[in-house]
Amino acid sequence: AQTVTQSQPEMSVQEAETVTLSCTYDTSESNYYLFWYKQPPSRQMILVIRQEAYKQQNATENRFSVNFQKAAKSFSLKISDSQLGDTAMYFCAFMNPGNQFYFGTGTSLTVIP
Amino acid sequence: DAGVIQSPRHEVTEMGQEVTLRCKPISGHDYLFWYRQTMMRGLELLIYFNNNVPIDDSGMPEDRFSAKMPNASFSTLKIQPSEPRDSAVYFCASRSRVSSYNSPLHFGNGTRLTVT
Repeated sequence: AQTVTQSQPEMSVQEAETVTLSCTYDTSESNYYLFWYKQPPSRQMILVIRQEAYKQQNATENRFSVNFQKAAKSFSLKISDSQLGDTAMYFCAFMNPGNQFYFGTGTSLTVIP
Repeated sequence: DAGVIQSPRHEVTEMGQEVTLRCKPISGHDYLFWYRQTMMRGLELLIYFNNNVPIDDSGMPEDRFSAKMPNASFSTLKIQPSEPRDSAVYFCASRSRVSSYNSPLHFGNGTRLTVT
């Protein structure tokens, strides 16, 4: 069975600074997909970024980028130039070839003005 | 694209009552998922459908929970009878495999259920 671990329940960052959220996963699959979702206080789940395991290049979406280390089974999210609107719960998710999604327990990020 | 639509947004009911949560997936999506979110357990997959057929319902906690998908544009999650421990936010999500193998889950805004 796949598991997704987010070891940082809470984090904070000063506005305009950079923060990295950690995620590790466990799988025996060779092909899979990874995602980061953001859940602001409105509770809507918003896709932030996605990564295919067969691609070595790290995905980037504006201020959001990932550091994907396949051998280490690590998938961290870096947020640059943090903004107040980035305050939210962040979930790491793993999708296996069977289309099953597994979510981590989340990291609560607070951006401090 | 209207996104995944869930109703109601909030539901408050008394213990023992029947609760029905509704979901309209994104048109053309062939997968539909029901999740439950609580502080203690995070996001739990309850059940998912592919082309209206339930594929995996191993996450459904008890026989009190049931889910149906009578057609491609509608699904329900029913709890009968409801109990206080069912209080949670229930999310519906849909996904298209056809458009892209790595297509993500698209979530609705969730239903916050409170059972008193």
